[in-house]
Amino acid sequence: GAGVSQSPSNKVTEKGKDVELRCDPISGHTALYWYRQSLGQGLEFLIYFQGNSAPDKSGLPSDRFSAERTGGSVSTLTIQRTQQEDSAVYLCASGLAGDYNEQFFGPGTRLTVL
Amino acid sequence: RKEVEQDPGPFNVPEGATVAFNCTYSNSASQSFFWYRQDCRKEPKLLMSVYSSGNEDGRFTAQLNRASQYISLLIRDSKLSDSATYLCVATSGGGADGLTFGKGTHLIIQP
Repeated sequence: GAGVSQSPSNKVTEKGKDVELRCDPISGHTALYWYRQSLGQGLEFLIYFQGNSAPDKSGLPSDRFSAERTGGSVSTLTIQRTQQEDSAVYLCASGLAGDYNEQFFGPGTRLTVL
Repeated sequence: RKEVEQDPGPFNVPEGATVAFNCTYSNSASQSFFWYRQDCRKEPKLLMSVYSSGNEDGRFTAQLNRASQYISLLIRDSKLSDSATYLCVATSGGGADGLTFGKGTHLIIQP
């Protein structure tokens, strides 16, 4: 079946612009996660959705970052007024309810802020 | 946020050798553990879950030591294709607050 998809695969933007990243999880997966990975670094947890609600937003780096999920499916991560330090690969993962279960990752969106 | 620590390596290992690395976790409430593999510029993919009794999948063996709060991964008869970064994950079942990835151990298998 189809895996997790993310779009765009690459995004180059200018400092100060807003960007929106999209994640389409595997059908039927109620849990959805956003992570950030900078070059040579580990995964940095950003936010977790269970259904449409986000019980844990503690990982969002600043108030410029926001995310939503609608219909228990597609999620968007929005970064406002992008900064150069926002450059990273943004990974989305989905899974069955609860974090005891395997997470399936999308291919990521590589964001470059000039 | 609870921590999961790994030796970043790189571990340089000749083809055919056995290699093992550990991962320590600080949250004693952690209940589920996984090893993920990440190839260069690719997304992480699940390698194997780690069960309390230890488990084996082909050339790969995972072990859990709750008393010392570490998990290990052993790779026997290493192949060139095993070269990757190995991430360990500990979860406590408390929502995303209990979901922590290590930064990964970089493994290079040399011909």
